[in-house]
Amino acid sequence: DAGITQSPRYKITETGRQVTLMCHQTWSHSYMFWYRQDLGHGLRLIYYSAAADITDKGEVPDGYVVSRSKTENFPLTLESATRSQTSVYFCASSESTGTSMRTDTQYFGPGTRLTVL
Amino acid sequence: AQSVTQPDIHITVSEGASLELRCNYSYGATPYLFWYVQSPGQGLQLLLKYFSGDTLVQGIKGFEAEFKRSQSSFNLRKPSVHWSDAAEYFCAVGDQTGANNLFFGTGTRLTVIP
Repeated sequence: DAGITQSPRYKITETGRQVTLMCHQTWSHSYMFWYRQDLGHGLRLIYYSAAADITDKGEVPDGYVVSRSKTENFPLTLESATRSQTSVYFCASSESTGTSMRTDTQYFGPGTRLTVL
Repeated sequence: AQSVTQPDIHITVSEGASLELRCNYSYGATPYLFWYVQSPGQGLQLLLKYFSGDTLVQGIKGFEAEFKRSQSSFNLRKPSVHWSDAAEYFCAVGDQTGANNLFFGTGTRLTVIP
Protein backbone atom coordinates (compact mmCIF):
# COMPACT_ATOMS: atom_id res chain seq x y z
CA ASP A 1 0.00 0.00 0.00
CA ALA A 2 2.04 2.96 -1.31
CA GLY A 3 -0.36 5.66 -0.08
CA ILE A 4 0.65 9.05 -1.34
CA THR A 5 3.96 9.70 -3.04
CA GLN A 6 5.70 12.79 -4.36
CA SER A 7 8.48 13.18 -6.88
CA PRO A 8 11.09 14.41 -7.01
CA ARG A 9 11.95 14.67 -3.31
CA TYR A 10 14.54 17.35 -4.00
CA LYS A 11 14.83 19.74 -6.91
CA ILE A 12 17.15 22.60 -7.73
CA THR A 13 16.25 24.83 -10.65
CA GLU A 14 16.95 28.28 -12.00
CA THR A 15 14.80 31.37 -12.19
CA GLY A 16 12.53 31.35 -15.22
CA ARG A 17 12.51 27.59 -15.76
CA GLN A 18 9.37 25.49 -15.76
CA VAL A 19 9.17 22.87 -13.03
CA THR A 20 6.57 20.17 -12.44
CA LEU A 21 6.11 18.44 -9.11
CA MET A 22 4.30 15.13 -9.18
CA CYS A 23 1.83 13.69 -6.69
CA HIS A 24 0.29 10.23 -6.84
CA GLN A 25 -2.13 8.53 -4.44
CA THR A 26 -3.34 4.95 -4.42
CA TRP A 27 -6.46 5.34 -2.28
CA SER A 28 -8.77 6.79 -4.95
CA HIS A 29 -9.44 9.75 -2.69
CA SER A 30 -11.64 12.39 -4.27
CA TYR A 31 -9.85 15.42 -2.85
CA MET A 32 -6.25 16.36 -3.43
CA PHE A 33 -4.33 19.41 -2.24
CA TRP A 34 -1.05 21.23 -2.75
CA TYR A 35 0.50 23.19 0.12
CA ARG A 36 3.72 25.07 0.51
CA GLN A 37 5.54 25.23 3.82
CA ASP A 38 7.63 28.25 4.72
CA LEU A 39 9.15 29.34 8.02
CA GLY A 40 6.77 31.55 9.94
CA HIS A 41 3.81 30.70 7.71
CA GLY A 42 3.04 27.08 8.44
CA LEU A 43 1.33 25.39 5.52
CA ARG A 44 -0.56 27.45 2.98
CA LEU A 45 -2.89 26.03 0.38
CA ILE A 46 -1.91 26.61 -3.25
CA TYR A 47 -4.57 24.66 -5.15
CA TYR A 48 -7.00 21.89 -4.47
CA SER A 49 -9.11 19.49 -6.47
CA ALA A 50 -12.44 17.96 -5.49
CA ALA A 51 -12.38 15.35 -8.28
CA ALA A 52 -10.83 14.66 -11.66
CA ASP A 53 -11.09 17.74 -13.91
CA ILE A 54 -12.22 19.93 -11.00
CA THR A 55 -9.64 22.28 -9.51
CA ASP A 56 -9.78 25.53 -7.58
CA LYS A 57 -7.45 28.14 -6.13
CA GLY A 58 -6.31 28.23 -2.57
CA GLU A 59 -4.65 30.98 -0.56
CA VAL A 60 -1.47 31.43 -2.66
CA PRO A 61 -2.12 30.30 -6.27
CA ASP A 62 -0.15 32.92 -8.22
CA GLY A 63 2.62 31.46 -10.36
CA TYR A 64 1.30 27.90 -10.16
CA VAL A 65 -0.79 25.73 -12.46
CA VAL A 66 -2.46 22.40 -11.69
CA SER A 67 -4.30 19.75 -13.61
CA ARG A 68 -6.10 16.56 -12.68
CA SER A 69 -6.93 14.33 -15.62
CA LYS A 70 -6.88 11.19 -13.45
CA THR A 71 -8.13 10.75 -9.90
CA GLU A 72 -4.79 9.44 -8.65
CA ASN A 73 -2.50 12.18 -10.01
CA PHE A 74 -2.30 15.86 -9.20
CA PRO A 75 0.76 17.55 -10.72
CA LEU A 76 1.78 21.08 -9.75
CA THR A 77 3.61 23.21 -12.33
CA LEU A 78 5.61 26.35 -11.76
CA GLU A 79 5.45 27.92 -15.20
CA SER A 80 8.36 30.32 -14.66
CA ALA A 81 10.04 29.67 -11.33
CA THR A 82 11.00 32.57 -9.08
CA ARG A 83 13.20 32.65 -5.99
CA SER A 84 10.16 33.33 -3.82
CA GLN A 85 8.90 29.88 -4.78
CA THR A 86 11.78 28.22 -2.96
CA SER A 87 9.90 26.15 -0.42
CA VAL A 88 8.87 22.69 0.68
CA TYR A 89 5.79 21.49 -1.19
CA PHE A 90 3.36 18.98 0.27
CA CYS A 91 0.65 17.09 -1.51
CA ALA A 92 -2.29 15.71 0.45
CA SER A 93 -5.46 13.76 -0.22
CA SER A 94 -8.72 13.06 1.56
CA GLU A 95 -11.91 11.18 0.97
CA SER A 96 -15.08 12.91 -0.01
CA THR A 97 -17.27 13.33 3.05
CA GLY A 98 -20.41 13.45 0.95
CA THR A 99 -21.34 16.74 2.53
CA SER A 100 -19.95 20.23 2.45
CA MET A 101 -20.43 20.50 6.19
CA ARG A 102 -17.47 18.45 7.25
CA THR A 103 -13.76 18.44 6.58
CA ASP A 104 -12.21 15.00 6.61
CA THR A 105 -8.69 13.92 7.51
CA GLN A 106 -5.98 14.79 5.03
CA TYR A 107 -3.11 12.39 4.38
CA PHE A 108 0.18 13.95 3.42
CA GLY A 109 2.99 12.94 1.14
CA PRO A 110 6.65 13.21 2.21
CA GLY A 111 7.18 16.57 0.51
CA THR A 112 9.38 18.03 -2.22
CA ARG A 113 12.09 20.48 -1.29
CA LEU A 114 12.43 22.96 -4.16
CA THR A 115 15.24 25.47 -4.46
CA VAL A 116 15.11 28.17 -7.11
CA LEU A 117 18.46 29.84 -7.77
CA ALA B 1 -12.71 33.37 7.97
CA GLN B 2 -11.13 30.53 9.84
CA SER B 3 -7.68 30.95 11.35
CA VAL B 4 -5.43 29.21 13.84
CA THR B 5 -2.87 30.66 16.24
CA GLN B 6 -0.11 28.68 17.87
CA PRO B 7 1.49 31.17 20.24
CA ASP B 8 4.57 29.12 21.05
CA ILE B 9 7.14 28.89 18.26
CA HIS B 10 9.51 26.63 20.19
CA ILE B 11 9.13 24.63 23.39
CA THR B 12 11.79 22.64 25.24
CA VAL B 13 10.89 19.98 27.78
CA SER B 14 12.78 17.29 29.62
CA GLU B 15 12.12 13.67 28.81
CA GLY B 16 9.45 12.34 31.15
CA ALA B 17 7.95 15.78 31.79
CA SER B 18 4.41 16.70 30.84
CA LEU B 19 3.65 18.70 27.72
CA GLU B 20 0.99 21.15 26.64
CA LEU B 21 0.97 22.82 23.24
CA ARG B 22 -1.42 25.69 22.78
CA CYS B 23 -3.79 26.25 19.89
CA ASN B 24 -6.43 28.95 19.51
CA TYR B 25 -8.81 29.10 16.61
CA SER B 26 -11.10 31.65 15.10
CA TYR B 27 -14.35 30.33 13.69
CA GLY B 28 -17.99 31.25 14.22
CA ALA B 29 -19.61 27.82 14.26
CA THR B 30 -18.53 24.50 15.70
CA PRO B 31 -15.04 23.94 14.31
CA TYR B 32 -13.45 20.78 13.03
CA LEU B 33 -10.01 20.68 14.66
CA PHE B 34 -6.89 18.65 13.99
CA TRP B 35 -3.42 18.17 15.36
CA TYR B 36 -0.67 16.94 13.04
CA VAL B 37 2.95 16.07 13.79
CA GLN B 38 5.87 16.46 11.41
CA SER B 39 9.11 14.66 12.11
CA PRO B 40 12.26 16.07 10.50
CA GLY B 41 12.25 15.53 6.74
CA GLN B 42 8.87 13.86 6.83
CA GLY B 43 5.32 14.64 5.86
CA LEU B 44 2.55 15.39 8.32
CA GLN B 45 0.89 12.64 10.34
CA LEU B 46 -2.50 13.01 12.00
CA LEU B 47 -2.37 12.79 15.80
CA LEU B 48 -6.03 13.36 16.56
CA LYS B 49 -9.13 15.24 15.45
CA TYR B 50 -12.28 16.72 16.92
CA PHE B 51 -15.57 16.94 15.05
CA SER B 52 -18.19 16.79 17.82
CA GLY B 53 -19.14 14.98 21.02
CA ASP B 54 -16.73 14.43 23.89
CA THR B 55 -14.50 17.47 24.20
CA LEU B 56 -11.51 15.38 25.34
CA VAL B 57 -10.08 13.57 22.36
CA GLN B 58 -7.57 10.74 22.50
CA GLY B 59 -5.03 10.31 19.75
CA ILE B 60 -2.07 8.20 18.78
CA LYS B 61 1.27 8.06 20.62
CA GLY B 62 -0.35 8.89 23.97
CA PHE B 63 -1.50 12.39 22.99
CA GLU B 64 -4.81 13.96 23.89
CA ALA B 65 -6.45 17.31 23.23
CA GLU B 66 -9.28 19.18 24.86
CA PHE B 67 -11.73 21.38 22.97
CA LYS B 68 -12.82 24.41 25.00
CA ARG B 69 -15.39 26.47 23.18
CA SER B 70 -15.39 29.25 25.78
CA GLN B 71 -11.67 29.79 25.25
CA SER B 72 -11.60 28.98 21.51
CA SER B 73 -8.80 26.56 22.28
CA PHE B 74 -7.75 23.05 21.36
CA ASN B 75 -4.59 22.40 23.36
CA LEU B 76 -2.55 19.26 22.87
CA ARG B 77 -1.25 17.39 25.93
CA LYS B 78 0.90 14.44 26.82
CA PRO B 79 1.58 13.36 30.42
CA SER B 80 5.11 12.08 29.83
CA VAL B 81 7.19 13.09 26.85
CA HIS B 82 9.56 10.69 25.11
CA TRP B 83 12.67 11.69 23.17
CA SER B 84 10.97 10.46 19.99
CA ASP B 85 8.27 13.13 20.40
CA ALA B 86 10.72 15.82 19.26
CA ALA B 87 9.09 17.22 16.11
CA GLU B 88 7.04 20.08 14.73
CA TYR B 89 3.38 20.15 15.75
CA PHE B 90 0.63 21.81 13.74
CA CYS B 91 -2.89 22.66 14.76
CA ALA B 92 -5.46 23.06 11.97
CA VAL B 93 -9.10 23.99 11.57
CA GLY B 94 -11.28 22.60 8.83
CA ASP B 95 -12.93 24.67 6.15
CA GLN B 96 -16.67 24.14 6.15
CA THR B 97 -17.47 26.05 2.99
CA GLY B 98 -17.24 22.97 0.81
CA ALA B 99 -13.57 23.10 -0.12
CA ASN B 100 -12.66 20.41 2.41
CA ASN B 101 -9.55 22.45 3.13
CA LEU B 102 -7.49 22.85 6.30
CA PHE B 103 -6.16 26.12 7.71
CA PHE B 104 -2.94 25.53 9.59
CA GLY B 105 -1.21 27.36 12.41
CA THR B 106 2.45 28.26 12.06
CA GLY B 107 3.55 25.30 14.13
CA THR B 108 5.35 24.67 17.42
CA ARG B 109 8.74 23.01 17.41
CA LEU B 110 9.27 20.65 20.33
CA THR B 111 12.75 19.87 21.63
CA VAL B 112 13.14 17.08 24.18
CA ILE B 113 16.11 17.17 26.55
CA PRO B 114 17.39 13.79 27.81
